[in-house]
Amino acid sequence: EAQVTQNPRYLITVTGKKLTVTCSQNMNHEYMSWYRQDPGLGLRQIYYSMNVEVTDKGDVPEGYKVSRKEKRNFPLILESPSPNQTSLYFCASLNGSSYEQYFGPGTRLTVT
Amino acid sequence: QKEVEQDPGPLSVPEGAIVSLNCTYSNSAFQYFMWYRQYSRKGPELLMYTYSSGNKEDGRFTAQVDKSSKYISLFIRDSQPSDSATYLCAMSTPGTYKYIFGTGTRLKVLA
Repeated sequence: EAQVTQNPRYLITVTGKKLTVTCSQNMNHEYMSWYRQDPGLGLRQIYYSMNVEVTDKGDVPEGYKVSRKEKRNFPLILESPSPNQTSLYFCASLNGSSYEQYFGPGTRLTVT
Repeated sequence: QKEVEQDPGPLSVPEGAIVSLNCTYSNSAFQYFMWYRQYSRKGPELLMYTYSSGNKEDGRFTAQVDKSSKYISLFIRDSQPSDSATYLCAMSTPGTYKYIFGTGTRLKVLA
């Protein structure tokens, strides 16, 4: 089954404690992306990757890092999380020929 | 002004009604237009995808793009309670992989 998986699905942490949210896709897509979703603000793109070792900033990259060392994986790293990063995070992968994005189930992060 | 504007709703309609959902945008470079459906506690799923202007139909769903007015629409015919969800429009420019989403419209179809 074609899918995008994220882990963990729920995470509560404290300010300043580094964390990583993993994302993996099994569709051999070159493009992957991270979004955060907040009430009233909708989905906003954090980072995206066009291929292995190729990443670029989206609209809200501050406070986040990404890496793309393998085609199937695209982890999101918060080096020093702050309460304003409390949000619902989605990973997505894209069929580059059709621009169809497939989203993961989401990770709800709370930073206290 | 936001690049993409979408009325957040909520929009409540009786079962069987025709639903019209809309987005306006300001960036004339957008060429790819998408509609996503998001159920509570789930990730968005792609409903419709349109390149440039025109109409596209898929079952009970029709997507329209009017580039001259910078306006896109999603019509749902014979709406069902299972259509109750948040609908998000999204747009992108050729050659980039940057997507701009609307804030979503919450739809409730009453049985």
